[in-house]
Amino acid sequence: QVQLVQSGAEVKKPGASVKVSCEASGYTFTSYYMHWVRQAPGQGLEWLGIINPSGGSTTYAQKFQGRVTMTRDTSTSTVYMELSSLRSEDTAVYYCAKSLTMSAPAAFDIWGQGTTVTVAS
Amino acid sequence: DIQMTQSPSSLSASVGDRVTITCRASQSISNYLSWYQQKPGKAPKLLIYAASSLQSGVPSRFSGSGSGTDFTLTISSLQPEDFATYYCQQSYSTPYTFGQGTKLEIK
Repeated sequence: QVQLVQSGAEVKKPGASVKVSCEASGYTFTSYYMHWVRQAPGQGLEWLGIINPSGGSTTYAQKFQGRVTMTRDTSTSTVYMELSSLRSEDTAVYYCAKSLTMSAPAAFDIWGQGTTVTVAS
Repeated sequence: DIQMTQSPSSLSASVGDRVTITCRASQSISNYLSWYQQKPGKAPKLLIYAASSLQSGVPSRFSGSGSGTDFTLTISSLQPEDFATYYCQQSYSTPYTFGQGTKLEIK
């Protein structure tokens, strides 16, 4: 079945970087955009950006420009999200989510299980 | 950025009730509106896409309507498993923003 499996929880110090992976299976990896969304403790959902697994093109939310990098490895059907210059406000659960259709402006039909990133000194 | 505003922020209801949650966009988003359900400690689950299309496997008691700036999610007869937090989200333009959420609690 279609699923996204993310890497495990991370604890980082302020100023460090974190790289979260998301391995896709059960569908044609390069045919559907992938998004990254985060959720701070007790808060709502926040979109970080999108990657086209086919060509690797990306669009990031302005808020994260310069700090976030999304990449993909088509040989392993995996997308990555790296966030740098971490601060305490980046403590959150990070999700990857697959586009429902083969176009960017679409709903997110399959979500990863989430990766908890904790930023603390 | 397009702002998405949900109302109410929280709602108490009983099993069997009909419930409506509204979502308003700060500008027209056509029908690029989705609804998600999230339970504690779990990833969100897609319920409705393109404002009114029911995602595969989602019970028919869930329905969505609206276009432009005003949208609604309706649950026709609440079931115990429906008590959760609901989010709307626009995919008209980046950043793809979410509403603040509506927490549906048991009365």
